[in-house]
Amino acid sequence: KNEVEQSPQNLTAQEGEFITINCSYSVGISALHWLQQHPGGGIVSLFMLSSGKKKHGRLIATINIQEKHSSLHITASHPRDSAVYICAVKIQGAQKLVFGQGTRLTINP
Amino acid sequence: ETGVTQSPTHLIKTRGQQVTLRCSSQSGHNTVSWYQQALGQGPQFIFQYYREEENGRGNFPPRFSGLQFPNYSSELNVNALELDDSALYLCASSLTGVGGYTFGSGTRLTVV
Repeated sequence: KNEVEQSPQNLTAQEGEFITINCSYSVGISALHWLQQHPGGGIVSLFMLSSGKKKHGRLIATINIQEKHSSLHITASHPRDSAVYICAVKIQGAQKLVFGQGTRLTINP
Repeated sequence: ETGVTQSPTHLIKTRGQQVTLRCSSQSGHNTVSWYQQALGQGPQFIFQYYREEENGRGNFPPRFSGLQFPNYSSELNVNALELDDSALYLCASSLTGVGGYTFGSGTRLTVV
């Protein structure tokens, strides 16, 4: 079992829909990151969370440390939101990020 | 503020050859980490460099090695390339103790 699990693996929705991507982890962490990866490969950092909730534009990220779970929400989704969304955790006491496998999101016009 | 730049963007090598990938860190960052991303998978941690020393390593063989320079830029070297080394190699810079990461666009390595 991977230390970081994301669901769903693939998600297709219509423009305007509310999107939720989930991330569960099984290790102690110091921070959780949500990342966006476009087809060219480059990764953009969206959020870094250690507790609570953060919002940036139409994106909202939440984390529940006790339940070891985080969600990324996209409101009023748009085709330009189509990308792979990756959850990554910084393990306590370790130097590395551990990544989920990613969720491929496709928003159709 | 500059971002993270990786070079080259694409590379084709033959099995058994050696390759060097380069990464410049974001201004103000002192730590560089390298990741391998196979097609359809999440990135896997290779190693991290801080103050020119490796201070963390993932489950990769010794033929994967690296360097960090005084300006905090970094190189990833892979010897005796294997077909399974074909992947996107990502580097990320950060400032130790602060936690945020800036990623480069990656180098896509194809081993034939």
